[in-house]
Amino acid sequence: DAKTTQPNSMESNEEEPVHLPCNHSTISGTDYIHWYRQLPSQGPEYVIHGLTSNVNNRMASLAIAEDRKSSTLILHRATLRDAAVYYCILRERANNLFFGTGTRLTVIP
Amino acid sequence: KAGVTQTPRYLIKTRGQQVTLSCSPISGHRSVSWYQQTPGQGLQFLFEYFSETQRNKGNFPGRFSGRQFSNSRSEMNVSTLELGDSALYLCASSPKQGLDYEQYFGPGTRLTVT
Repeated sequence: DAKTTQPNSMESNEEEPVHLPCNHSTISGTDYIHWYRQLPSQGPEYVIHGLTSNVNNRMASLAIAEDRKSSTLILHRATLRDAAVYYCILRERANNLFFGTGTRLTVIP
Repeated sequence: KAGVTQTPRYLIKTRGQQVTLSCSPISGHRSVSWYQQTPGQGLQFLFEYFSETQRNKGNFPGRFSGRQFSNSRSEMNVSTLELGDSALYLCASSPKQGLDYEQYFGPGTRLTVT
């Protein structure tokens, strides 16, 4: 399974923007970049995904580098409810998701 | 629209027993995937069903099996339980197969094997 690299943890102040980086240098042309998050005691939650172009939805934005070897999940105004583990995932085949260790985001009031 | 539901939410079993977990996907979703989450191994893919057929399988022993019914509901079975099977088992549904579709996860079933 294609590998992604994320920082183990990050902190952000409440109501500040958060930029969560992800490196995926071995990405192939057909791999989609997906982001999920897992709040404490809950199942993972879909956040956003993209292939080549930047994407926006009500939860976040996804900025994809031109060479696609890295991407950044942007939370425009972090709230306490955004404290979670964020997973950057490359979907390369079939329908399964390969979860790495993710980035634990702490939001400071 | 109701989300993915899993039953039971909590389960305690004894080593050597078997267990069946149930998952009801979001209405209209035809793909159901199962994952195991443990503190040591994180989230790991078990298998995926689409149109009542297993389409993809992770690296788990044959004691782990599943099936999908015509209404897309799915069950997962673990036979001859081992202590290491204690985990949170998560089910996820997706409207179709394919890399461009997101998965929606249920709250999970927490299995404890004693």
